[in-house]
Amino acid sequence: KAGVTQTPRYLIKTRGQQVTLSCSPISGHRSVSWYQQTPGQGLQFLFEYFSETQRNKGNFPGRFSGRQFSNSRSEMNVSTLELGDSALYLCASSLPQSSGNTIYFGEGSWLTVV
Amino acid sequence: EDQVTQSPEALRLQEGESSSLNCSYTVSGLRGLFWYRQDPGKGPEFLFTLYSAGEEKEKERLKATLTKKESFLHITAPKPEDSATYLCAVPGGGSEKLVFGKGTKLTVNP
Repeated sequence: KAGVTQTPRYLIKTRGQQVTLSCSPISGHRSVSWYQQTPGQGLQFLFEYFSETQRNKGNFPGRFSGRQFSNSRSEMNVSTLELGDSALYLCASSLPQSSGNTIYFGEGSWLTVV
Repeated sequence: EDQVTQSPEALRLQEGESSSLNCSYTVSGLRGLFWYRQDPGKGPEFLFTLYSAGEEKEKERLKATLTKKESFLHITAPKPEDSATYLCAVPGGGSEKLVFGKGTKLTVNP
């Protein structure tokens, strides 16, 4: 059974540019969430999607956005990149049941903003 | 506000030297406590979910336990390959959102 797949794995962008990251959840998982991981702040929740609807959003500026498609794939976008956006962006998926389900993570996308 | 605190931040052990990692949590209505292992440059790998106080789960040299206020990850006779950062998390906000601790970086020396 394939795990959570994220692309690209590594990317370098320039300040002011925008970036789109992709995530394919585990087959059958309809809930997809995104996290940002930095050495200083640890893992922080960005947003969660279920059935193409954003169910929850973390405390990040509006430059961070996402969407989910009908096949449960998800993308997140960061516009007007800042140096502080350099981080590991992790996608996670889980079964569409009540909260408390096991959440599985992908390998992440390493974003470096220069 | 939901909160997770892990201690110690870093732990160095000799191979075979058993120890425990701590995860204390504050959450309204616990709906599970998760333990993950994360290797450098990789995503968190799921280890255990605990749902109620008194519950225990084991996997190889790892055993996780849960009380009403904290969880412990016991590592028995660790090996160098157990070196990783161990993360603890709880669902918060009534959704799939996970609130993570900052992790414990474990180093096991041969």
